[in-house]
Amino acid sequence: AQSVTQPDIHITVSEGASLELRCNYSYGATPYLFWYVQSPGQGLQLLLKYFSGDTLVQGIKGFEAEFKRSQSSFNLRKPSVHWSDAAEYFCAVGSNTGKLIFGQGTTLQVKP
Amino acid sequence: NAGVTQTPKFRVLKTGQSMTLLCAQDMNHEYMYWYRQDPGMGLRLIHYSVGEGTTAKGEVPDGYNVSRLKKQNFLLGLESAAPSQTSVYFCASTQGLAGYNEQFFGPGTRLTVL
Repeated sequence: AQSVTQPDIHITVSEGASLELRCNYSYGATPYLFWYVQSPGQGLQLLLKYFSGDTLVQGIKGFEAEFKRSQSSFNLRKPSVHWSDAAEYFCAVGSNTGKLIFGQGTTLQVKP
Repeated sequence: NAGVTQTPKFRVLKTGQSMTLLCAQDMNHEYMYWYRQDPGMGLRLIHYSVGEGTTAKGEVPDGYNVSRLKKQNFLLGLESAAPSQTSVYFCASTQGLAGYNEQFFGPGTRLTVL
């Protein structure tokens, strides 16, 4: 069965520092992968997605993610974090029935 | 465009009471979804609809019912609320299947069952 694991429940980084959020998936075929962000008190918003092609995908707000098939990973990165990036981040994989399976989420705290 | 809206934003129920959550979208999307979000568990799919008049069960459907009488609306009902249904509920819509397309989410409904 498909699954998504986000190993880090909570991460704290200083403003201006680089960020990497980890995501590991389990899926037999080529996966459809997503990163969503949820700001406090709001719904989720798509940051970026990977379907095929270039394994480094660019998203909104300066985020990028790299698909590594050999490691079953789709880690999210940002070179310099801003205070407004504090939020909860969800990795998700599209299942073979067309549904979306979410990871547990990683809460990002940004220190001034 | 308002996107996806949810009514109400907050609600407190007593055990055994019933209520309906309303989701509306103005993007002419065929597919609509109801999720619940609980700490440490991500989002879990309750029910979904692939078009007007159709509904299907998701991962955690027990205790909930849904209806999609109009394309733009997707209702989630709790017939007899239980404390285990305390959660934040999100509605979402997509152009196609959620596993392959961007989902657009509403702002959520925070439900507490006492």
